[in-house]
Amino acid sequence: KQEVTQIPAALSVPEGENLVLNCSFTDSAIYNLQWFRQDPGKGLTSLLLIQSSQREQTSGRLNASLDKSSGRSTLYIAASQPGDSATYLCAVPNSGNTPLVFGKGTRLSVIA
Amino acid sequence: ETGVTQTPRHLVMGMTNKKSLKCEQHLGHNAMYWYKQSAKKPLELMFVYSLEERVENNSVPSRFSPECPNSSHLFLHLHTLQPEDSALYLCASSLRRDTGELFFGEGSRLTVL
Repeated sequence: KQEVTQIPAALSVPEGENLVLNCSFTDSAIYNLQWFRQDPGKGLTSLLLIQSSQREQTSGRLNASLDKSSGRSTLYIAASQPGDSATYLCAVPNSGNTPLVFGKGTRLSVIA
Repeated sequence: ETGVTQTPRHLVMGMTNKKSLKCEQHLGHNAMYWYKQSAKKPLELMFVYSLEERVENNSVPSRFSPECPNSSHLFLHLHTLQPEDSALYLCASSLRRDTGELFFGEGSRLTVL
């Protein structure tokens, strides 16, 4: 059964810093990996989707990498802003026919 | 705006009530999902529908009853719930079951008294 772990659970940084969020998964036979953002009390917003054949994806100040063999992904946020404060979730499909399995997320606070 | 709309956004109900949550997607997707999000726990998959057929029921108690009348609409019927069922219920859709990019609604915050 796929298990997803995100480290750290919470992170507080000053505005302007570059930061890295980590995600690890136990079963490397994945089709893709997806990073989401969730604001308090809201739904999830898809940030980046990396296919299993890709090594990384970029969107603006966000860059996500995928290393299937080691079961790891990182989300890099450049020049962080207070508006980046949210919970970031990583998710992968389980092997077989089960859809996305989520980590518990990293709660990010960017201090102005 | 993700193209997935959930109503109501907030719901308070007693343990003897019957209510329903509604989800509608305008993305032309073939798969729809219900997830439950409780405090300090990862999102839990509840149900998956693919082309209007339920393809997964993740050991969810029978007091939760899903319905998918067509590929654009998904309901979650609730009856005789317990206080521990209080949570954020999230609907999602994807173009293909299992491997497509997931798009979520804003969620329905349920409180059971």
